[in-house]
Amino acid sequence: DVQMTQSPSSLSASVGDRVTITCRASQSVSIFLNWYQQKPGTAPKLLIFSASSLETGVPSRFSGSGSGTDFALTISSLRPEDFATYFCQQTYSIPPTFGQGTRVDIE
Amino acid sequence: QVQLQESGPGLLKPSQTLSLTCTVSGGSISGGGYYWSWFRQHSGKGPEWIGYIFASEDTYNPSLKSRLTISLDMSKNQFSLNLNYVTAADTAVYFCARGQYRGHYFDIWGPGTLVTVSS
Repeated sequence: DVQMTQSPSSLSASVGDRVTITCRASQSVSIFLNWYQQKPGTAPKLLIFSASSLETGVPSRFSGSGSGTDFALTISSLRPEDFATYFCQQTYSIPPTFGQGTRVDIE
Repeated sequence: QVQLQESGPGLLKPSQTLSLTCTVSGGSISGGGYYWSWFRQHSGKGPEWIGYIFASEDTYNPSLKSRLTISLDMSKNQFSLNLNYVTAADTAVYFCARGQYRGHYFDIWGPGTLVTVSS
């Protein structure tokens, strides 16, 4: 299985901050990398697919970059509703696998 | 607008079979181009892919394959999961989701259902 490693595991930030979360794959996944946001008690919500494509309806303050093994999710200006846990997921090979998550808390 | 909803028992005993159903509304399950998928999430962990069915062909996580069946019921616009011989390790929140074949991403998810395995 392809191992996905996110960093940091958690971070504290303030409204208006620029936040970057990184995700590293144990082998190349090309651009088959997706990002999800999850709030407690709810399902994951797709934010970014194919490494850098913004899902319909997702605010433009979210952006994704990278290819191969190294990827990043950036929130350009953090809003109160962005405090959540973020997961990366590779779909290059079976089984699709997720990172362990990055929890974004209010500082 | 397509929506998914999981249903099934919330409590099982060890060695029983877990049967969950995902009802799809707002769109037809028989339309092509989608992976009808199951995931689960153990407390405090990232989601785990269980398997999917695409055009009546199923693909499973190798770690669960020996105990798992995923099927489609187009007449009811539903797809289902059966997991045999459950143990406490199968306790998790289970989600159904729609995967996009062309982009290999999962864009619509059910709200999830908690399944607990306990004697």
